[in-house]
Amino acid sequence: QKEVEQDPGPLSVPEGAIVSLNCTYSNSAFQYFMWYRQYSRKGPELLMYTYSSGNKEDGRFTAQVDKSSKYISLFIRDSQPSDSATYLCAMSARKTSYDKVIFGPGTSLSVIP
Amino acid sequence: GAVVSQHPSWVICKSGTSVKIECRSLDFQATTMFWYRQFPKQSLMLMATSNEGSKATYEQGVEKDKFLINHASLTLSTLTVTSAHPEDSSFYICSANPGIIGNQPQHFGDGTRLSIL
Repeated sequence: QKEVEQDPGPLSVPEGAIVSLNCTYSNSAFQYFMWYRQYSRKGPELLMYTYSSGNKEDGRFTAQVDKSSKYISLFIRDSQPSDSATYLCAMSARKTSYDKVIFGPGTSLSVIP
Repeated sequence: GAVVSQHPSWVICKSGTSVKIECRSLDFQATTMFWYRQFPKQSLMLMATSNEGSKATYEQGVEKDKFLINHASLTLSTLTVTSAHPEDSSFYICSANPGIIGNQPQHFGDGTRLSIL
C-alpha cells in the first residue's frame, strides 16, 4: 500500500461546477497537509496548508482533513478554465524542517468552458 | 513572499556534458532545500535533501556521485548532473522550506527541463 493514494483522473468538469479532489493516506503520524496546483511544465504552487483535522477556506478553495479516516479533500467552487491543472496532495509529520513531504501522484483536472 | 527561483528553466545538451542547476530562495533564508525529479504525468520523486553547510542526504537509489548537491549559503543550493546521459532527461524541481522550526510548507521553483541528446 502506498503512503498516499490519489485518483489520477483525468477529471473533466464544466465551468462553474464544484470540484472535489481527494487523497487517502496510511501514516497516522502525518499532521501537516497541503494541496499544490501544478500547471504543465511549471513547479507546484502551494494552494492550501492545514494542520491536523478540520476545515480551511481560502476564496473558492476549501480544504478538509479527517485524520480519523486518514482522508483529505480539496473543494473548488465555481471552477474556472484557469483551474485546469494537476492537483497534488502532500503531507508530512513535520517534526523538524528536515522531515520529508510525501506527495500523492496528482489528479489532472480539466475545466471546460 | 516565499519565492523560490530556479535557473535555467530549460537546457539541452550533448551526452557526457555536466549540467548545473541553481535554486535560490529570494526573500527568505532556507536552511533546507529539496531536489525532486518528475517524469511526465508522474508525481514528484524526492532525490535529496540539501542542508546548508553540510552534506546532502540522498534518497535510496539516487547516485550521489551522479547528482552533486552543494548548499553553500542560506539562499542557494545547486544540483550538478555529472556526465549526463539521455536517461537523465527529466524535469528537475527544487523547493525550499522557510524557517528553522519547520512549521512552514515547502515552496517550489518553476523547475528545469533537462534534455540530453
